[in-house]
Amino acid sequence: GAVVSQHPSRVICKSGTSVKIECRSLDFQATTMFWYRQFPKQSLMLMATSNEGSKATYEQGVEKDKFLINHASLTLSTLTVTSAHPEDSSFYICSARGLAGELFFGEGSRLTVL
Amino acid sequence: QKEVEQNSGPLSVPEGAIASLNCTYSDRGSQSFFWYRQYSGKSPELIMSIYSNGDKEDGRFTAQLNKASQYVSLLIRDSQPSDSATYLCAVNMEDTGNQFYFGTGTSLTVIP
Repeated sequence: GAVVSQHPSRVICKSGTSVKIECRSLDFQATTMFWYRQFPKQSLMLMATSNEGSKATYEQGVEKDKFLINHASLTLSTLTVTSAHPEDSSFYICSARGLAGELFFGEGSRLTVL
Repeated sequence: QKEVEQNSGPLSVPEGAIASLNCTYSDRGSQSFFWYRQYSGKSPELIMSIYSNGDKEDGRFTAQLNKASQYVSLLIRDSQPSDSATYLCAVNMEDTGNQFYFGTGTSLTVIP
């Protein structure tokens, strides 16, 4: 299946700092990537759809100024959590669609804000 | 109203038994259905996809789809302790911008 790589896998930061997470499609071009957030023992929650060369589409309740998404190339999307606070601590996962329409996920990034 | 519903479990089966995981969905126009496995602390991994009514088999896994009943299931034969994970049902709903909707997942424990 398609390979999606995410970095970093873990990050710990102080409250008020910004954190950037990268998502790369390694063996295919992804015009669209998806960013999810998952809290412990809960299901995936779609945060936003990242579109190459245009603005991301955010789900209701997700602050676009706090979660900055950039999709500058067909293989790279980034999520920046700005002015992170402890309540932003979560597991962030990116994904991209394969040729048959299925979603392939990156390894995930666990953010801990102190 | 939830679009995709799963029994959260936990479901426990002995090693070698058949594990049966169920999922119902609300949108009759849904076209694509997927099962993902998620180990604790890891991201979801695609294990099965099914697009038409009936059964689809892949190794020890069988996905079953019944669009009339809006029901999709996953059977795991000869369950192994390594199958212990949370299984997520996902549905691609075309009438909502082709988005994926995930169930809350069913936790499966295979007892050695």
